[in-house]
Amino acid sequence: NAGVTQTPKFRVLKTGQSMTLLCAQDMNHEYMYWYRQDPGMGLRLIHYSVGEGTTAKGEVPDGYNVSRLKKQNFLLGLESAAPSQTSVYFCASTYSGGRTLNEQFFGPGTRLTVL
Amino acid sequence: GNSVTQMEGPVTLSEEAFLTINCTYTATGYPSLFWYVQYPGEGLQLLLKATKADDKGSNKGFEATYRKETTSFHLEKGSVQVSDSAVYFCALYAGGTSYGKLTFGQGTILTVHP
Repeated sequence: NAGVTQTPKFRVLKTGQSMTLLCAQDMNHEYMYWYRQDPGMGLRLIHYSVGEGTTAKGEVPDGYNVSRLKKQNFLLGLESAAPSQTSVYFCASTYSGGRTLNEQFFGPGTRLTVL
Repeated sequence: GNSVTQMEGPVTLSEEAFLTINCTYTATGYPSLFWYVQYPGEGLQLLLKATKADDKGSNKGFEATYRKETTSFHLEKGSVQVSDSAVYFCALYAGGTSYGKLTFGQGTILTVHP
């Protein structure tokens, strides 16, 4: 199993450009998440999905859109990139939540720089 | 709302030193608690977890005990190695209708010197 994979690993954009980050998981997980990691801020949830065709806003959704057309894929889009979106982006997935949670499985990350 | 607070970093230790990274939380109900580790250039991976009060999670020589009375989940290791250099994140899962969402602390950078 590849686990959670992310494409691309690195990207440099100019202000105003758009791009899509792809996350794929082969563990048949229902739930998927997009986080951003900034120094001293920990991980902050951007958007998440509880199943194919569903998405919901997290803690910092502004400037991002997502889609979950297939269960194994979760796409994060930046329509008009801004320097404030320079960050490392992580995708994660897990089985359905409930009273307890096993763990979230994380991808290796995408380092995005917006000039 | 739910929140996790970790001790300020970075933490710098010599090899074989004792490690403690403090973590306290605020949550309603009975959350599950986690420690994740992020090695340089990689994603996060689960280090250990505890799902109820007084549970002790352990892995790779690391331990943490779920203390409900002090709302804490401090990470400890008796003798650190250079290979333990990483960023450590404390996190909680509130359960119920949380849809698997985790609340993370800000992370603590650990550097271990030979």
